Amino acid sequence: DAKTTQPPSMDCAEGRAANLPCNHSTISGNEYVYWYRQIHSQGPQYIIHGLKNNETNEMASLIITEDRKSSTLILPHATLRDTAVYYCIVRAVREGGSEKLVFGKGMKLTVNP
Amino acid sequence: DGGITQSPKYLFRKEGQNVTLSCEQNLNHDAMYWYRQDPGQGLRLIYYSQIVNDFQKGDIAEGYSVSREKKESFPLTVTSAQKNPTAFYLCASSPRARFTGNTIYFGEGSWLTVV
Repeated sequence: DAKTTQPPSMDCAEGRAANLPCNHSTISGNEYVYWYRQIHSQGPQYIIHGLKNNETNEMASLIITEDRKSSTLILPHATLRDTAVYYCIVRAVREGGSEKLVFGKGMKLTVNP
Repeated sequence: DGGITQSPKYLFRKEGQNVTLSCEQNLNHDAMYWYRQDPGQGLRLIYYSQIVNDFQKGDIAEGYSVSREKKESFPLTVTSAQKNPTAFYLCASSPRARFTGNTIYFGEGSWLTVV
């Protein structure tokens, strides 16, 4: 499974854009990049995913470099409720076509007032 | 509302006892998963199931068992063989197991404490 590397933590001021980096230098051509976040003692929440092109939804934007070795999750206007652990994940496909998500330790984003 | 329901939220177990965590989904998803999370750590896959009556071991299956008799249900039993069962357990499901790019959704989790 391709592994991802994220900084352990990051701070952001409320109302500013939060840019969360992720390195996935061993990603394969058919593997997607997923982002989830987890607020303490809750289940992870899906944010966004992409393969090659940049993606945007109501929560965030995902920017994937042309070589696909890194990506950035952008929260355009961070709020206090965006404080959470953010996981950057590369989707692995196992034999038989089954799939799993491989989670690392993620990155703690703290949004400050 | 559609979603994934885990129960109980909190569970205490005496050493040597088996316990079963419930996971039900009404999303009509094919695949279901169980993950374990220890404090300050990421999620680790215990078992997953692509279809009814079929399931595969994940990375840390020892000491756990599952069943998938119905599409909407995927209970996890933590047996006495699990040496360190105290953890946060998360159930998840996804719509199509064989199509890369589909999304996995999670329940709210169950806390298991061995006393």
